[in-house]
Amino acid sequence: QAVLTQPASLSASPGASASLTCTLRSGINVGTYRIYWYQQKPGSPPQYLLRYKSDSDKQQGSGFRSRFSGSKDASANAGILLISGLQSDDEADYYCMIWHSSAWVFGGGTKLTVL
Amino acid sequence: QLQLQESGPGLVKPSETLSLTCTVSGGSISSRSYYWGWIRQPLGKGLEWIGSIYYSGSTYYNPSLKSRVTISVDTSKNQFSLKLGSVTAADTAVYYCAGQYGDYADSPFDYWGQGTLVSVSS
Repeated sequence: QAVLTQPASLSASPGASASLTCTLRSGINVGTYRIYWYQQKPGSPPQYLLRYKSDSDKQQGSGFRSRFSGSKDASANAGILLISGLQSDDEADYYCMIWHSSAWVFGGGTKLTVL
Repeated sequence: QLQLQESGPGLVKPSETLSLTCTVSGGSISSRSYYWGWIRQPLGKGLEWIGSIYYSGSTYYNPSLKSRVTISVDTSKNQFSLKLGSVTAADTAVYYCAGQYGDYADSPFDYWGQGTLVSVSS
């Protein structure tokens, strides 16, 4: 089982909100991790969006507005990236990342379609 | 603003060594504030961290690749390099170099090169 699992795809409408999940493998407690999120558009490198561990331990990446925010669902053992007021420009792949067992580990990514 | 640029052969033969260099501009690779890393992405797939290095030469490798990876730094040229040995087709990917502001285990990859595609084929 992968350390981080993300849904392969998600569709949402312009103006709506989208919640992208990053589920940690059973036995790895989401509460103890900083979860980093990246946005990647075709043909471009990933861009750092934000980091979230708790409301008192979070960081916004430079150049990204508050439409992007992080949270956690402890009951689901998952990190969440919330994008509000969806725009066509938000259409991209989104990756989560944690530092686990002496390595940076990425989720498989979620392709967000805005239509 | 830091800029990173990867360079190196786009084609490597199976069993040989993949070698790439990342040139950093807009700042000093010797800055104590940054770590420098390599990340790869097979076409159409997800991201995989390969390893990171500090200007002093301290290295941190992905355990899954550690036996085949060497990352080095050349402060005189403001460059750092990746060598991946005994390559197979599974190593075909876009290779990115990236910079982290802060600790290697506790900071995001803030700065990225544009990436370079390396294919492994005879």
